[in-house]
Amino acid sequence: GENVEQHPSTLSVQEGDSAVIKCTYSDSASNYFPWYKQELGKRPQLIIDIRSNVGEKKDQRIAVTLNKTAKHFSLHITETQPEDSAVYFCAAKAFGGKLIFGQGTELSVKP
Amino acid sequence: NAGVTQTPKFQVLKTGQSMTLQCAQDMNHEYMSWYRQDPGMGLRLIHYSVGAGITDQGEVPNGYNVSRSTTEDFPLRLLSAAPSQTSVYFCASSYSGGGVVETQYFGPGTRLLVL
Repeated sequence: GENVEQHPSTLSVQEGDSAVIKCTYSDSASNYFPWYKQELGKRPQLIIDIRSNVGEKKDQRIAVTLNKTAKHFSLHITETQPEDSAVYFCAAKAFGGKLIFGQGTELSVKP
Repeated sequence: NAGVTQTPKFQVLKTGQSMTLQCAQDMNHEYMSWYRQDPGMGLRLIHYSVGAGITDQGEVPNGYNVSRSTTEDFPLRLLSAAPSQTSVYFCASSYSGGGVVETQYFGPGTRLLVL
């Protein structure tokens, strides 16, 4: 079945450094790849997404890159701040429209 | 707009009991789904629906039933609760015009404890 693998499971960076989270997907028909941020006790919130006809997308300090050939996409956060600390999830839209999520990355930004 | 709402916020059940988790959205979204979230396992898709009268299984459907009689509501039923169903449950919805699933909005979640 469809699968999304996410790495690393935990990531600790110093404030101001960059953070990179990587995901791979199995369904070659996937064409939509969102990233969600979830703070403790809260619901997941969309932070950025990318479609298969685009290789890169930026929104201020966050960017996402997509390599369809390798079935791989990544989230890049630059100039990290303590408020970026949260769990981040990648996802891929599989056949039939269902959204499959990765296992999550717990990002800790140390002041 | 209330967005996606879920009730109850928290529920304790005994093994074998049944219950229904409610989910409603007021955004006229065709696509709705249920996820469960367990530590270290991310968000796993239980069931989803692409429109009223249409439902399909996700990654972990066993032990759960759904129905979609209206666009607004997508209840999740546990027929005989088991301790393995202790989890946080999230409902989500999105527009899916032309078969393209757009931004998915999540409800606040229901925390379920099965003893």
